[in-house]
Amino acid sequence: EVQLVESGGGLVQPGGSLRLSCAASGFTFSSYSMNWVRQAPGKGLEWVSYISSSSSTIYYADSVKGRFTISRDNAKNSLYLQMNSLRAEDTAVYYCARGGYDYVIDYWGQGTLVTVSS
Amino acid sequence: SYVLTQPPSVSVAPGKTARITCGGNNIGSKSVHWYQQKPGQAPVLVIYYDSDRPSGIPERFSGSNSGNTATLTISRVEAGDEADYYCQVWDSSSDAYVVFGGGTKLTVL
Repeated sequence: EVQLVESGGGLVQPGGSLRLSCAASGFTFSSYSMNWVRQAPGKGLEWVSYISSSSSTIYYADSVKGRFTISRDNAKNSLYLQMNSLRAEDTAVYYCARGGYDYVIDYWGQGTLVTVSS
Repeated sequence: SYVLTQPPSVSVAPGKTARITCGGNNIGSKSVHWYQQKPGQAPVLVIYYDSDRPSGIPERFSGSNSGNTATLTISRVEAGDEADYYCQVWDSSSDAYVVFGGGTKLTVL
């Protein structure tokens, strides 16, 4: 059974930093691309970042480019999102999500809440 | 950037057919994926590559894509289908790459 478990969310002040982690199990992690997708309270889904299986290809949404860094450790079956210079508008539930062919997202974690507030 | 347009809400009586549209410029040339999200839960993939269903998704869920509109069709709607539905494509020319529609709230009357 595919499982994706996020951690690292919490309350942080504007301008602060946070590192999210995602532990993957139930599939060969090193064979799949991964994504971070977020959802602000009461709002729709917003894609944040993509990383290919080997980390050779990385994409970011313009809204986070230069502030967020996606990475992965295939030996540890883990995905990460380093978030710096956080803003109030970054407040959201952040989902770790597995990617498939043609950039489908076929499995999602339960999400971790990030709140940026003073 | 590439924009996907969904109606904010669709209402349907139980047992009837619901159709949720997703509009985009020449979307028929792209692969469209659909997700269902119930309150307090993570999204679930219900249709991929325009019209394929993942295992475990009822046959009542189907999809089509042509021209400037993709459509998610839910036949014989049940109360448990009430949820938000999102369409998604990949657009390499966009500033977002993975693009989601704004979402449609399906209400079962």
